[in-house]
Amino acid sequence: DVKVTQSSRYLVKRTGEKVFLECVQDMDHENMFWYRQDPGLGLRLIYFSYDVKMKEKGDIPEGYSVSREKKERFSLILESASTNQTSMYLCASSPLLATQYFGPGTRLTVL
Amino acid sequence: KQEVTQIPAALSVPEGENLVLNCSFTDSAIYNLQWFRQDPGKGLTSLLLIQSSQREQTSGRLNASLDKSSGRSTLYIAASQPGDSATYLCAVKSEGGGADGLTFGKGTHLIIQP
Repeated sequence: DVKVTQSSRYLVKRTGEKVFLECVQDMDHENMFWYRQDPGLGLRLIYFSYDVKMKEKGDIPEGYSVSREKKERFSLILESASTNQTSMYLCASSPLLATQYFGPGTRLTVL
Repeated sequence: KQEVTQIPAALSVPEGENLVLNCSFTDSAIYNLQWFRQDPGKGLTSLLLIQSSQREQTSGRLNASLDKSSGRSTLYIAASQPGDSATYLCAVKSEGGGADGLTFGKGTHLIIQP
C-alpha cells in the first residue's frame, strides 16, 4: 500500500515563528503536493513539485515556500507564521496523471 | 479557471437508501475526475478515479459516472450504511500541462441514520 506520512498530526506555534511541515512518501512518486483545508473554502493547492528540486506555485502560495531535496520528501515552510495560516495542511503524492494519495494531515494552530 | 461545485452541501438519509451525490465543473478540458472520502479530522481516501475517456467506474456499492461534455459527475451509493457517513469530495485534474494539482469541490457532508 502507498503510504504518505506527515511529521505531526497537531502543531501549535506562535506568530512570527518559522514552521516546517514535513511529508514523506514511500512509493517513488514523481509528484508531491501541499494543500490547505479550511471550513467553507475546501481544499486549496499551495505548492506542488514534479521532480527533485522542482516546484510550482499553486493557487495560494503567498506566505509559504517549499523544499524538495529528495524524491520522497516534500517540505512546506512558513517563513513567519501568522494567525491566518491556522488550518489543516494535507500532503499528497502521485505518479504522473494518476490518483493522488493523501497523508493524514497536520492541524496547525498559530497563536 | 476551473471551478468545482458539489450539491447538496449536506445530506442525511436513513440506512438502506440509495443516494446520489452531484458534482459539476466549469471547464470540460480535464484529464480525470476523482471522488474522495474524508472522515472527520482525517486525510482523504481515494474512492474512484475516472479518466476523461471513460463514462463510469464501479467499486463495490459505489458507482461514479462522468459526462465530460456537460461538466457533470455523479457518485451513486447503493444500500447506504452508517459507516458511509463522511464528507465526499469531488476533484478534477485539468488539462494544461505540468503536474498541477487537483481542483476540489467543497464536499457533501453525508450522514446515514441507523
